[in-house]
Amino acid sequence: NAGVTQTPKFRVLKTGQSMTLLCAQDMNHEYMYWYRQDPGMGLRLIHYSVGEGTTAKGEVPDGYNVSRLKKQNFLLGLESAAPSQTSVYFCASSGQGIGGAFFGQGTRLTVV
Amino acid sequence: DQQVKQNSPSLSVQEGRISILNCDYTNSMFDYFLWYKKYPAEGPTFLISISSIKDKNEDGRFTVFLNKSAKHLSLHIVPSQPGDSAVYFCAPRGTSYGKLTFGQGTILTVHP
Repeated sequence: NAGVTQTPKFRVLKTGQSMTLLCAQDMNHEYMYWYRQDPGMGLRLIHYSVGEGTTAKGEVPDGYNVSRLKKQNFLLGLESAAPSQTSVYFCASSGQGIGGAFFGQGTRLTVV
Repeated sequence: DQQVKQNSPSLSVQEGRISILNCDYTNSMFDYFLWYKKYPAEGPTFLISISSIKDKNEDGRFTVFLNKSAKHLSLHIVPSQPGDSAVYFCAPRGTSYGKLTFGQGTILTVHP
């Protein structure tokens, strides 16, 4: 049982380049989330999805887009990367009931 | 406006003693309060939670206390072990779609 899997684990981008981070979960969870973690700031919610075909903005959505074409996948896109987007990105999923979210292992992104 | 604060960036404890991690929040609409543990280069993992209608929840060496009137919760680890050394995040859950709001985290170091 893989849980939540993120691809890739590491990436270095040049300013202005684009990329897509992939998140896959095998727990049949309805809800999926993208967070970013920066030093001293905990994890902040970028975007989230409450079901296939739905997306919504979180606390820090600017510069990112997301899509949830399949229930098990949640994609995070950066159209034109900026150095301020250097961070560690975590995907998570959760069910509709009581309980916490399950997190992937993270993607460390550096924008130079 | 920081809704969740963990005012101690770090805590150092001797093996076998008690570790107490604290968390303050401002949003009275949180319905569940979760603690996550995070090792370097890994995603956060769920540790323990407490419902807003309770004031204590215990799971083995871990106990979480909730004081709703003070908007304060704490995590007690007794006895502390070197393997408990990690970053601990307080993460209250809102009532909509399981979204978590994270504190800044506390680095716990347990010395042998």
